[in-house]
Amino acid sequence: DAGVTQTPRHEVAEKGQTIILKCEPVSGHNDLFWYRQTKIQGLELLSYFRSKSLMEDGGAFKDRFKAEMLNSSFSTLKIQPTEPKDSAVYLCASSSTGGNQAPLFGEGTRLSVL
Amino acid sequence: GDSVTQTEGPVTLSEGTSLTVNCSYETKQYPTLFWYVQYPGEGPQLLFKVPKANEKGSSRGFEATYNKEATSFHLQKASVQESDSAVYYCALRDRGSALGRLHFGAGTQLIVIP
Repeated sequence: DAGVTQTPRHEVAEKGQTIILKCEPVSGHNDLFWYRQTKIQGLELLSYFRSKSLMEDGGAFKDRFKAEMLNSSFSTLKIQPTEPKDSAVYLCASSSTGGNQAPLFGEGTRLSVL
Repeated sequence: GDSVTQTEGPVTLSEGTSLTVNCSYETKQYPTLFWYVQYPGEGPQLLFKVPKANEKGSSRGFEATYNKEATSFHLQKASVQESDSAVYYCALRDRGSALGRLHFGAGTQLIVIP
């Protein structure tokens, strides 16, 4: 079975650029999550969708981060404009709906902002 | 709000010794509890989950018991191997809430010396 697919695996951006990260969830999964991972802050929730509706977004990330689900099989995370402090690994995960379901993670996109 | 607290890392052990990573949680709901493991360059992957209090989960020699009274879910392994070197995350997901996102602990890095 296909897992969660994230592209690209690595991204290098100049400060001030707009970048778009992509995620394809597992087919049939209704819940989709975007997380940012850094050594200092650990895993931070950016956005959480259920059946394409935004259920929760990380308050601290609202101004320059925007996640969308264009359809049930594709999501994007836009960062505009990028700043050096955005350098991190961005992880996408999906699951079936239900609090006993274990989200499955993609391998992540490593973003470096110069 | 919900929170998870776990042993601060890194934890360094010699091969063949026992491991305990403490995990405590706070929530007003009745959660499902998870342990995830993350290897370098990969996303977190589910080690196991336990949806019910007083039950035990296990995988690859790791185990944890859902202790609702003590609000704990400590990870244990009797004899660690070098291949167990990774970061371990304790997490919870509320089953009764409309917002079903995962709440992660800060992660515990395990280093096993041969």
